[in-house]
Amino acid sequence: AQSVSQHNHHVILSEAASLELGCNYSYGGTVNLFWYVQYPGQHLQLLLKYFSGDPLVKGIKGFEAEFIKSKFSFNLRKPSVQWSDTAEYFCAVSPGYSSASKIIFGSGTRLSIRP
Amino acid sequence: SAVISQKPSRDICQRGTSLTIQCQVDSQVTMMFWYRQQPGQSLTLIATANQGSEATYESGFVIDKFPISRPNLTFSTLTVSNMSPEDSSIYLCSVQLAGGNSYEQYFGPGTRLTVT
Repeated sequence: AQSVSQHNHHVILSEAASLELGCNYSYGGTVNLFWYVQYPGQHLQLLLKYFSGDPLVKGIKGFEAEFIKSKFSFNLRKPSVQWSDTAEYFCAVSPGYSSASKIIFGSGTRLSIRP
Repeated sequence: SAVISQKPSRDICQRGTSLTIQCQVDSQVTMMFWYRQQPGQSLTLIATANQGSEATYESGFVIDKFPISRPNLTFSTLTVSNMSPEDSSIYLCSVQLAGGNSYEQYFGPGTRLTVT
């Protein structure tokens, strides 16, 4: 069965620090990969997605993620975080063989930014 | 993109009762899903709401407990039946929109359910 692992449950950083959130998935075939963010009191929003092509994907708000197929990873990065990045971040995966595929979510990483 | 609304936004219910959650989308969509997000946990897919046919349930979820309706391409309901405190959770509706060779999934604001 497919699964998604996010190893960091809670990350605390100071403003301007660099961020990397780990995400590994288990699925042998073609995958579509996503990062979602949930700001306090708000609903889930898509940060970025990977379907094919350049494995380095750029999303909104300065976030990027790199798909490394050999490592089954899709880590999220941001060179300099801001206090407004405080949120819960979810990595997600869906099989790439169908556009009607369900999405499996990781357990989430809570990011706290110290002003 | 898609704008999704859910009603109610929150509710407190007694054990043994049922609650129906509504999900309305501002455009016609093929794929609609219902998720549960239990306190401090990630999202778990309950079922895919199929228009014109029965919903497709994930392992661990059954129709008797979570009946779903999908009367048209913009609306769905999820009922949480015979509730217990373990059903306290946020229930989210989501839709999938295709575009080119990719798709995106949009989420509603959620319904926060507390069962006492």
